[in-house]
Amino acid sequence: AQSVTQLGSHVSVSEGALVLLRCNYSSSVPPYLFWYVQYPNQGLQLLLKYTTGATLVKGINGFEAEFKKSETSFHLTKPSAHMSDAAEYFCAVSEYGFQKLVFGTGTRLLVSP
Amino acid sequence: GAGVSQSPSNKVTEKGKDVELRCDPISGHTALYWYRQSLGQGLEFLIYFQGNSAPDKSGLPSDRFSAERTGGSVSTLTIQRTQQEDSAVYLCASSFVQGENEKLFFGSGTQLSVL
Repeated sequence: AQSVTQLGSHVSVSEGALVLLRCNYSSSVPPYLFWYVQYPNQGLQLLLKYTTGATLVKGINGFEAEFKKSETSFHLTKPSAHMSDAAEYFCAVSEYGFQKLVFGTGTRLLVSP
Repeated sequence: GAGVSQSPSNKVTEKGKDVELRCDPISGHTALYWYRQSLGQGLEFLIYFQGNSAPDKSGLPSDRFSAERTGGSVSTLTIQRTQQEDSAVYLCASSFVQGENEKLFFGSGTQLSVL
């Protein structure tokens, strides 16, 4: 069965600092991997996704993630945090495309001035 | 509408009562999903509708939960005889294109509180 582990329920960074949100997955077949973001009082939005091909995936708002099969990881990074990046981030895996996405428990990103 | 709409945004009910949660997907989206987000948990898949196919109900936690989708559009999630452990945010999502170009759009959710 597929599963996702997000390390750290909260991550705090200073504005301008590197953002690193960790995600490890378990899947019996080549997975589809996703990062979603949820801003306060808004629905989840897709940040980026990995399906096949290039392992470094670029998403919206300067975020990117790298699929590392050997490490079963799909960590999310951004070189320089902005105050507007404060939100909750969810990693997800699917073995069936977009059906039955399995989500992690989420990581709340806090950005201080 | 411009996005996935869910109503009500908040619902408080007494244990043992039935509740209905509504989802209006984006017009033209053929796929519709229900997820549940409990406190401290990830999003839990509940049910998936795709076009006229039989829904995938494999995520429904018990027979107190049911969902329907009328006319390939609006969906209603019904929870009968609610229990306190049903308290959670119920999220609806819809999408149009299957395959690698598919993209899920989520609603803002219904916060259900069972007293």
